[in-house]
Amino acid sequence: DIQMTQSPSTLSASLGDRVTITCRASQSISNSLAWYQQKLGKAPKLLIRETSSLETGVPSRFSGSGSETEFTLTISSLQSDDFATYYCQQYKSCWTFGQGTKVEIK
Amino acid sequence: EVQLVESGGGLVKPGGSLRLSCAASGFSFSGAWMSWVRQAPGKGLEWVGRIKSKSDGETVDYGAPVKGRFTISRDDSKNTLYLQINSLKTEDTAVYYCTREFYGPGNYWGQGTLVTVSS
Repeated sequence: DIQMTQSPSTLSASLGDRVTITCRASQSISNSLAWYQQKLGKAPKLLIRETSSLETGVPSRFSGSGSETEFTLTISSLQSDDFATYYCQQYKSCWTFGQGTKVEIK
Repeated sequence: EVQLVESGGGLVKPGGSLRLSCAASGFSFSGAWMSWVRQAPGKGLEWVGRIKSKSDGETVDYGAPVKGRFTISRDDSKNTLYLQINSLKTEDTAVYYCTREFYGPGNYWGQGTLVTVSS
């Protein structure tokens, strides 16, 4: 099974900050990596697929990069609506999620 | 408009069984690969398993933690996805989401149904 390791588990940041979340795969997953945003009590929302392709309607301040085993989600300028928990997910072989990163207000 | 509506959750005693349903609308359900994902209280997302479309063999895959006790099925005539859970354990307590896979990840999710396993 492919394991996904996400860091940090919690991130404290201020409005306007640039935020970076990292996700590592236990083996190469090519570019089969997605990012989700989840707010309290809500279902996850798909933000990015194929490492860097933004879903329709996702603000351009979100971006993704990486390949093989190392991936990054970046929020260029944190907005109030972005305080949430983010998960990476590999879909190269079935699905595996990272442990999640909670982005909270500093 | 795409809608996924889960139902069937509730309070169950350890050792009991439950069948969750996910009613789909707004897309071609018969052609979709569908997954179940669960989330224990205060924890992260855990993939339960998926069922492919009939045209792709209706193959079912399960996550390692649930193999043997969980069964995923579908009824394309009713546009409904199912999750049968047997021999429930307290650690199965979670919100269970159904989601439509679209070229890999899940792009539509239901609101979830809560399963609580407790004596």
